[in-house]
Amino acid sequence: DAKTTQPPSMDCAEGRAANLPCNHSTISGNEYVYWYRQIHSQGPQYIIHGLKNNETNEMASLIITEDRKSSTLILPHATLRDTAVYYCIVRGSQGNLIFGKGTKLSVKP
Amino acid sequence: NAGVTQTPKFQVLKTGQSMTLQCAQDMNHNSMYWYRQDPGMGLRLIYYSASEGTTDKGEVPNGYNVSRLNKREFSLRLESAAPSQTSVYFCASSPMGMPYGYTFGSGTRLTVV
Repeated sequence: DAKTTQPPSMDCAEGRAANLPCNHSTISGNEYVYWYRQIHSQGPQYIIHGLKNNETNEMASLIITEDRKSSTLILPHATLRDTAVYYCIVRGSQGNLIFGKGTKLSVKP
Repeated sequence: NAGVTQTPKFQVLKTGQSMTLQCAQDMNHNSMYWYRQDPGMGLRLIYYSASEGTTDKGEVPNGYNVSRLNKREFSLRLESAAPSQTSVYFCASSPMGMPYGYTFGSGTRLTVV
């Protein structure tokens, strides 16, 4: 199963863009990259997913490098409510989501 | 739509007691999952059900059993609770197959004393 590597924590100023990196160098050609976030102790919330093209929705943008070995989640205008743990996940061989420890993003006023 | 509903939200058990965690989804999803999350850790998959009538072990199945009662409901049973099973339990559901993501419930906080 492809594994992901994320920094354990990041800070971002309120109103600025938050760029969260993820390395997935062993990803295979048909594996999707998913991003979830978990606010406090709530259930994880789906943000976005992609295969090889850049993706954008109302929550965020996902930039995947051409070689697909890394990706970046972009929150364009971070707010205090975006403070959460962000998980970058590559779908496992059983097809199930495998969560690592994620990146704890702190948005500061 | 309620999405994924878990009951109870909180529970305290004594060592050796049994209980069943309930999960129901109203999105007509085929697949359902049970995860546990220990403090400071990511989620670990306990069991999953790819479709009604099937169940499979995940990463940490020992000490648990599951039942896919129907398409909507997927329960997790602890037959003899142990302190090591103190955790937050999350249920999730998804349409079958990729690339669909999962919808999670709000969790059950279980303490075994």
